[in-house]
Amino acid sequence: DQQVKQNSPSLSVQEGRISILNCDYTNSMFDYFLWYKKYPAEGPTFLISISSIKDKNEDGRFTVFLNKSAKHLSLHIVPSQPGDSAVYFCAASARGGSNYKLTFGKGTLLTVNP
Amino acid sequence: EAGVVQSPRYKIIEKKQPVAFWCNPISGHNTLYWYLQNLGQGPELLIRYENEEAVDDSQLPKDRFSAERLKGVDSTLKIQPAELGDSAVYLCASSLGGQVNTEAFFGQGTRLTVV
Repeated sequence: DQQVKQNSPSLSVQEGRISILNCDYTNSMFDYFLWYKKYPAEGPTFLISISSIKDKNEDGRFTVFLNKSAKHLSLHIVPSQPGDSAVYFCAASARGGSNYKLTFGKGTLLTVNP
Repeated sequence: EAGVVQSPRYKIIEKKQPVAFWCNPISGHNTLYWYLQNLGQGPELLIRYENEEAVDDSQLPKDRFSAERLKGVDSTLKIQPAELGDSAVYLCASSLGGQVNTEAFFGQGTRLTVV
């Protein structure tokens, strides 16, 4: 049972436009959410995170929005650049306890066209 | 600062042979993870260490997989014997650990091909 779901395997946008990547989760214990970016033949790289006490976190061109009632988060990239082309993974965890781990979605391949 | 270092980057072995992967985490990171990533999937946790203690190995297939983290720094993950279905990327990650909820930093991974 996938606890973190990224229902769009791929997304294609034009350079300069907004990219919106979506993620849904089912485990109500999750309270910390992260986005990772992965280029081919490299490990995932941390991009941005958000705690469940917030509904928005912004870092430069990247903004993550969290809707706890809908168990949904999204990553906005504005403006999109060709170098943003990569696989984006959504991940979630539950704070504290002895069972802390990151649960990942399957990823969304973003292609930004020049 | 050096990131998480894994070796080898690539490994091709015949089925039924043993294989081992090595990971050196970021200095000062108490928590170390081994993840498995199959093609088209997200990383899945195999084992998590807090210092030298394996605190979550529920997803590790213990009949053929083993791991150790002696002295709470470097770690090795071993498969013996390897099966065709073990072909995947094995990722090591580390984080500060404890009750602090911080991001995990990943190495480049080891791509294993079992033929």
